Amino acid sequence: KQEVTQIPAALSVPEGENLVLNCSFTDSAIYNLQWFRQDPGKGLTSLLLIQSSQREQTSGRLNASLDKSSGRSTLYIAASQPGDSATYLCAVRGRGNEKLTFGTGTRLTIIP
Amino acid sequence: NAGVMQNPRHLVRRRGQEARLRCSPMKGHSHVYWYRQLPEEGLKFMVYLQKENIIDESGMPKERFSAEFPKEGPSILRIQQVVRGDSAAYFCASSPPGETQYFGPGTRLLVL
Repeated sequence: KQEVTQIPAALSVPEGENLVLNCSFTDSAIYNLQWFRQDPGKGLTSLLLIQSSQREQTSGRLNASLDKSSGRSTLYIAASQPGDSATYLCAVRGRGNEKLTFGTGTRLTIIP
Repeated sequence: NAGVMQNPRHLVRRRGQEARLRCSPMKGHSHVYWYRQLPEEGLKFMVYLQKENIIDESGMPKERFSAEFPKEGPSILRIQQVVRGDSAAYFCASSPPGETQYFGPGTRLLVL
């Protein structure tokens, strides 16, 4: 059974700093891994999707890496802004099935 | 192209009543997924449906919960005889076959 863990559960950093969020998963037989953003009381916004054959994906100030063999992914946010404050969720899709297994998220607060 | 639509956005029910949650997938998407987010927890997969078929219901509670995706109309998640523990955010996602899931804004269910 796939389990996804995100550390830390909460993180506060001053505006302008670079930061890294971590995600680990127990079963390396994944199809892809996805990072989402969730604002309070809102739905999920997909940020980056990494296929199992890829090592990283970039979008603007965001960079996600994937090390399938060690069961880890990181989301790097450069030059953080107050608007980046949200909960960040990591989700993996296993091979042979369609469902996503989510981590419990990292609640990020950027201090102006 | 409108995104995934869910209604109602907020639903209040008293214990013992029925809750019906609706999800209209994005145009051209034939696959629908339901996830539940309990307070302070991550999203958990409930069920995966294609038109007129339940493909994977491994995350559905054994009793009181059912889901359908008819040939015409939205997908429905139905919860009979609701209890306080059913209070949660219920998210629907849709996708074309084998592709990325797009999430709706969720329905917040509160059971009094």
